[in-house]
Amino acid sequence: GAGVSQSPSNKVTEKGKDVELRCDPISGHTALYWYRQSLGQGLEFLIYFQGNSAPDKSGLPSDRFSAERTGGSVSTLTIQRTQQEDSAVYLCASSRGQTSSTEAFFGQGTRLTVV
Amino acid sequence: AQSVTQLDSQVPVFEEAPVELRCNYSSSVSVYLFWYVQYPNQGLQLLLKYLSGSTLVESINGFEAEFNKSQTSFHLRKPSVHISDTAEYFCAVSERAAGNKLTFGGGTRVLVKP
Repeated sequence: GAGVSQSPSNKVTEKGKDVELRCDPISGHTALYWYRQSLGQGLEFLIYFQGNSAPDKSGLPSDRFSAERTGGSVSTLTIQRTQQEDSAVYLCASSRGQTSSTEAFFGQGTRLTVV
Repeated sequence: AQSVTQLDSQVPVFEEAPVELRCNYSSSVSVYLFWYVQYPNQGLQLLLKYLSGSTLVESINGFEAEFNKSQTSFHLRKPSVHISDTAEYFCAVSERAAGNKLTFGGGTRVLVKP
């Protein structure tokens, strides 16, 4: 596709369940980012993948959150034992390179609601 | 670590009037600066960015922002807004060595009234 694709677009889950959110970056983009947009916290960085380097996980809020990127392309963000405070829009972005001179393109996001 | 402050959470403005969205940042290292826009029911889009060189940067739709190092500011301006400029605007910074790992401000919601 032409842009960053995220699925599902909406997800409602019960507290305590695990969820997986998927991101398909733009083809050829080596850098991939996850952000979270919530009412209380605004837009927060979660994790960053660049090529084959170890990911920068410094933004993950707890050990319930993890992410992987298989084959340098698709990424999955997993939240275990979801809590109500995990409710947010989870945004994925990708860019051609790792420098800020290359624009990051954002997906439409996955709206997660924990009930 | 960096932080970004957008002083106004909402800015109502009449069509064809000027608008200024304020952004201040703090950082112990050199940063790049960005403005992103989120139109209703759409994803984030890059509006403009400052990397180096001229401190005044412009977008294709008439917005401009000026990097002021002494005041650690990167305010966004447009001399005459349109209804279609109704959106939420986010200021962001990244460390020069950190790619697009962005620290965002809280956002400013602009509502353009006819």
